[in-house]
Amino acid sequence: GAVVSQHPSWVICKSGTSVKIECRSLDFQATTMFWYRQFPKQSLMLMATSNEGSKATYEQGVEKDKFLINHASLTLSTLTVTSAHPEDSSFYICSSGQNNEKLFFGSGTQLSVL
Amino acid sequence: QKEVEQNSGPLSVPEGAIASLNCTYSDRVSQSFFWYRQYSGKSPELIMSIYSNGDKEDGRFTAQLNKASQYVSLLIRDSQPSDSATYLCAVNQAAGNKLTFGGGTRVLVKP
Repeated sequence: GAVVSQHPSWVICKSGTSVKIECRSLDFQATTMFWYRQFPKQSLMLMATSNEGSKATYEQGVEKDKFLINHASLTLSTLTVTSAHPEDSSFYICSSGQNNEKLFFGSGTQLSVL
Repeated sequence: QKEVEQNSGPLSVPEGAIASLNCTYSDRVSQSFFWYRQYSGKSPELIMSIYSNGDKEDGRFTAQLNKASQYVSLLIRDSQPSDSATYLCAVNQAAGNKLTFGGGTRVLVKP
């Protein structure tokens, strides 16, 4: 199956700093990358959809200036959490798939903001 | 009303028994249906996909889809302790569209 590589697996940062999360498609071209956030004991909440070469589409309630998404190539999409605060601490997961049908997930990034 | 609904559980089943998970969805135009398994602290793993009415079997897993009643279910036969996880139901209107996830059902298989 398709492989999505996500880094880092976990990150601890101070409040006010920015954190970048990378997701790479290893054996297919990811024209679309979905970014999710998951709080403990809750389901996945879609944050935004990034499309290669165009602006990302953000879900209602997600601040586009705080969660910067870049999808500059068919194999790489990044999510930057700017000026992170403790309430941004969460599990962030990217996903994509061939033909955007079956989605395969990255391994996730556990962000802890102190 | 949530678009995709699941019982949060936990669903407790003895080892070797059948675990039955249900999922209902609200959008009648939904075309693709998926079951994901998620272990604590890990990302979801696709275990089943189903697109047409009826049953689809893969090893110990069977997915059942009934579009008229707008539900999709997952059966896990011969449940093992390693099956203890949260199972997420996901629905897609069409290829290329975003998936909508249910809240997940936590399954506990007791030895």
